[in-house]
Amino acid sequence: KAGVTQTPRYLIKTRGQQVTLSCSPISGHRSVSWYQQTPGQGLQFLFEYFSETQRNKGNFPGRFSGRQFSNSRSEMNVSTLELGDSALYLCASSLGGGNEQFFGPGTRLTVL
Amino acid sequence: AQRVTQPEKLLSVFKGAPVELKCNYSYSGSPELFWYVQYSRQRLQLLLRHISRESIKGFTADLNKGETSFHLKKPFAQEEDSAMYYCALSVRNFNKFYFGSGTKLNVKP
Repeated sequence: KAGVTQTPRYLIKTRGQQVTLSCSPISGHRSVSWYQQTPGQGLQFLFEYFSETQRNKGNFPGRFSGRQFSNSRSEMNVSTLELGDSALYLCASSLGGGNEQFFGPGTRLTVL
Repeated sequence: AQRVTQPEKLLSVFKGAPVELKCNYSYSGSPELFWYVQYSRQRLQLLLRHISRESIKGFTADLNKGETSFHLKKPFAQEEDSAMYYCALSVRNFNKFYFGSGTKLNVKP
């Protein structure tokens, strides 16, 4: 079974720009979660999608948004980028219901 | 509010020594607890979960509801155990995970 894939792996943007990250879950997984990982804060939950609906949301500003498509692939968008948005963004897929999450390799976003 | 605390950012032990990575949580209901591990240049992966009560790679973790702890233990550390370890909590029937800030385990030869 192919693992979770994320594209692109690296991104460099400047302040004020917007960015879209993509995540393809493991086949059969309908739940996709997004996390922001930074050295100081660890992993922070952004949101979770299940069957194209956002079910759970973390404490991030509205500049962070996402969506999920009918094939369970998910995208995350960050608008009006700030320097503090520089981080590794991880996507995880699962069957849902608190089951094990399988993580992708992450997208490293650098905001200059 | 739900919270997971890992008090140690870095833990260094010698090979063959016992190791204990601490994890405390706050949650009023019945949590699902996990330990995830990230080896160098690899993706985050599940190490064990409390409901399975397994020993994985010699690691065990016991849920202590009285102390709200889920410490990870191994009697004899190996160099290949060096990695970043994250404790995580999920609310039963929900797919929202709360991660601790992680503990870097360094096993010295």
